[in-house]
Amino acid sequence: QQQVKQSPQSLIVQKGGIPIINCAYENTAFDYFPWYQQFPGKGPALLIAIRPDVSEKKEGRFTISFNKSAKQFSLHIMDSQPGDSATYFCAASGSARQLTFGSGTQLTVLP
Amino acid sequence: DSGVTQTPKHLITATGQRVTLRCSPRSGDLSVYWYQQSLDQGLQFLIQYYNGEERAKGNILERFSAQQFPDLHSELNLSSLELGDSALYFCASSVGASGGAGGETQYFGPGTRLLVL
Repeated sequence: QQQVKQSPQSLIVQKGGIPIINCAYENTAFDYFPWYQQFPGKGPALLIAIRPDVSEKKEGRFTISFNKSAKQFSLHIMDSQPGDSATYFCAASGSARQLTFGSGTQLTVLP
Repeated sequence: DSGVTQTPKHLITATGQRVTLRCSPRSGDLSVYWYQQSLDQGLQFLIQYYNGEERAKGNILERFSAQQFPDLHSELNLSSLELGDSALYFCASSVGASGGAGGETQYFGPGTRLLVL
């Protein structure tokens, strides 16, 4: 019940495209859903996060859509750039705060 | 730069050995989390400390232990190392520990890459 399922495993888009990464969770006690970006050889860096009382949150070119009834959330990257090429992880946490991560999506943005 | 520091950056050792990984949290953060990242298991939570006390345990092996010191830095001790322990080990820190209506942002360090030969 602690699992967070992420798809797709990899994604290739052209510059300017809008990659979408999806995640689904099972544990209804989760109340915090962050997305992290990780470049090779670096630690994960927080991109954007959402709480279940909000259906959408935008920060710059990054948008989270959240569907509480379906227990799903997704990341959209508007006007994607080659510099966005990285691995993206969704995660979830409850009151205990430790993060349960999805399996990651390797995004490649072609110039 | 997240403000979380980890040393060493790389560690190469042999099976059966013991190593210590060190983490200094961001200034003002009281919580430290340890995560393991491997190709087959992904990013997995190991253990959390808050202000010197163990707060939560995840998928941490009995051969592994951790502590948080009065100055809030933390150490992860890995003993009787096996080939399968080769992974990236990340430390993250946050201001709080648990409870509340929302989440606590966790800031990750650059990691320690452990290779067990």
